[in-house]
Amino acid sequence: GENVEQHPSTLSVQEGDSAVIKCTYSDSASNYFPWYKQELGKRPQLIIDIRSNVGEKKDQRIAVTLNKTAKHFSLHITETQPEDSAVYFCAASIMEYGNKLVFGAGTILRVKS
Amino acid sequence: DAMVIQNPRYQVTQFGKPVTLSCSQTLNHNVMYWYQQKSSQAPKLLFHYYDKDFNNEADTPDNFQSRRPNTSFCFLDIRSPGLGDAAMYLCATSRKIKAGDEKLFFGSGTQLSVL
Repeated sequence: GENVEQHPSTLSVQEGDSAVIKCTYSDSASNYFPWYKQELGKRPQLIIDIRSNVGEKKDQRIAVTLNKTAKHFSLHITETQPEDSAVYFCAASIMEYGNKLVFGAGTILRVKS
Repeated sequence: DAMVIQNPRYQVTQFGKPVTLSCSQTLNHNVMYWYQQKSSQAPKLLFHYYDKDFNNEADTPDNFQSRRPNTSFCFLDIRSPGLGDAAMYLCATSRKIKAGDEKLFFGSGTQLSVL
């Protein structure tokens, strides 16, 4: 089955700097790659997603890049703010009749002001 | 205007005492999922329903069962909770993939404690 690895496990950045989180996946058939932000005790919130037919997607300060050949995808957050501090999860799935996400282990992002 | 509602928010049960967690949705989505998230870990899929079709993950323990009596409701039954089952249980929904919208909508979760 699919296996998703995520790095780093923790990331500390200064406010205003950029943050990059990287994930690799094992199943070349995976075709959907979302990123979730989760604050303590709360539900995961989708922040951006990308399909396998797209190489890059941007939404304001957040961008995701996908390299299908290398089977890795990355989250880029620019101009980080203290409210960006949270746990970020990448995920991958093979969309068929349902969308069974396999999550990475998560990255704790701390933005220091 | 919560769209995926989980009750209760916190549940305490005793070791070995059956417990049921509930999830309801107002989105009329075909697919409903149950994820288990232990402390400081990623969510892990237990099973999902595609309409009435139940799909169990290979490594989901037999101790976990699920029911979906209608489109709106889905239940997670833990027949004999052990200390290792203490976790946040997340319900999620999505449309059929053919509808062109693959996004999952998560509920707020039920935090289960086992004493």
